[in-house]
Amino acid sequence: QQQVKQSPQSLIVQKGGISIINCAYENTAFDYFPWYQQFPGKGPALLIAIRPDVSEKKEGRFTISFNKSAKQFSLHIMDSQPGDSATYFCAASIVGGAQKLVFGQGTRLTINP
Amino acid sequence: DTGVSQDPRHKITKRGQNVTFRCDPISEHNRLYWYRQTLGQGPEFLTYFQNEAQLEKSRLLSDRFSAERPKGSFSTLEIQRTEQGDSAMYLCASSLGRDGQPQHFGDGTRLSIL
Repeated sequence: QQQVKQSPQSLIVQKGGISIINCAYENTAFDYFPWYQQFPGKGPALLIAIRPDVSEKKEGRFTISFNKSAKQFSLHIMDSQPGDSATYFCAASIVGGAQKLVFGQGTRLTINP
Repeated sequence: DTGVSQDPRHKITKRGQNVTFRCDPISEHNRLYWYRQTLGQGPEFLTYFQNEAQLEKSRLLSDRFSAERPKGSFSTLEIQRTEQGDSAMYLCASSLGRDGQPQHFGDGTRLSIL
C-alpha cells in the first residue's frame, strides 16, 4: 500500500517560472515532511522540511505548503533555474521511534532555458 | 562535515555471488539507515540502527540480507546468493539521535547482477 502519492511524474517549466509538485499521504500519524532533490548518480539531498504545526515554510526560492485537513503538501520552486533540473521526492515519517522515511515516487523536473 | 560515505560506488557481480557494501556515517550521527532505490522509484526503507543496535527491519529485508554496525560507527550491508531482483541503488543515511533531525544520504552503491 503506497502511503505517499506524488504528482506529477514529470514536469517541464520555463526558466523563471514556478514549479509546483504535490504530495498526498494516508497515515495521519505522519508528522515530519521533508523534500529531497536528487541528481543522476547522486544520493537524495535534503531541501526543506516541515512539521504539521505550520502551514507554510519558506527557504530561499523553495516553499512548502501544508494542508493537514486534506493530508496534502506541496513544494513550490520560485524563479526556476536550469540548475534546478533534477528529480524531487517528497517523504513522510513519524517523529519518535525509527523515524523511517516513506517516499513518494518522484517528479522529474526539467527547466527549459 | 565530510558527509555520508559509501563504498563501493558501483558493484557488478554474477547471480549467486555474495556482496558487501560499507557505509561511513557523519561522525557525530548515532542513527544509521539503509534504503534501496530501484530505477524510477523513491527509496524504500530497509533497516535502522541506533548506535550499534539494529532496531527495525523492513519485510523487504529477506534472510539473504544482513546488516551490522559494530561499535556504532560504520555499517555493512551483505547480500548473500544475489538474485536479479537485487539490482538497485543501495543508499545509506545518517542522522543525529534526536527526534525530528533530518537524514543525510550518501551517494549510494549501485548493484548490477549479471
